[in-house]
Amino acid sequence: AIRITQSPSSLSASTGDRVTITCRASQGISSYLAWYQQKPGKAPKLLIYAASTLQSGVPSRFSGSGSGTDFTLTISCLQSEDFATYYCQQYYSYPLTFGPGTKVDIK
Amino acid sequence: EVQLVESGGGLVQPGGSLKLSCAASGFTFSGSAMHWVRQASGKGLEWVGRIRSKANSYATAYAASVKGRFTISRDDSKNTAYLQMNSLKTEDTAVYYCTRPGSSSDFDYWGQGTLVTVSS
Repeated sequence: AIRITQSPSSLSASTGDRVTITCRASQGISSYLAWYQQKPGKAPKLLIYAASTLQSGVPSRFSGSGSGTDFTLTISCLQSEDFATYYCQQYYSYPLTFGPGTKVDIK
Repeated sequence: EVQLVESGGGLVQPGGSLKLSCAASGFTFSGSAMHWVRQASGKGLEWVGRIRSKANSYATAYAASVKGRFTISRDDSKNTAYLQMNSLKTEDTAVYYCTRPGSSSDFDYWGQGTLVTVSS
């Protein structure tokens, strides 16, 4: 199975900050990577798919980049509603696997 | 509007069985694969398995942790997917989500989740 790591596991940031989260796959996955946002008690929400394609309705302050094994999710100007946990997921091969998550909280 | 509604969760003893349902609406269910993803309390997301459409022979795939114990099925006439869980273990305790794949096997729609607790 493809292992996914994320860094950092958590971070504290302020509204208006630029935030970058990294996801690394244990083998090349081309661009078959998605990013999700999850708030407590809620289902995950798809933010980005195909590594860099913004899901419809997602604010443009979210962006994704990378291919192969290394990927990043960037939030250009953190808003109050962005405090949440973020997961990446590879769908290059089965079993589908998720990263362990990055919790973004208020500094 | 796409909606996925899970049901069937509850408390079950170790070794027991439970069947979850996922009622879908707002899209062509029969043409879509369906997946199940779970999340233990305070933990990350774990893919459980998927079932493809009739056009893809209803092919299934499972995570190693549930293979041989869990079975995914579907009834296209009822727009419903199912997760039959047998030989349940305490480590199967989680919120179970059904999800719809978007462009590929990313998940653009999720249900609200149903809690399964395996405990004596």
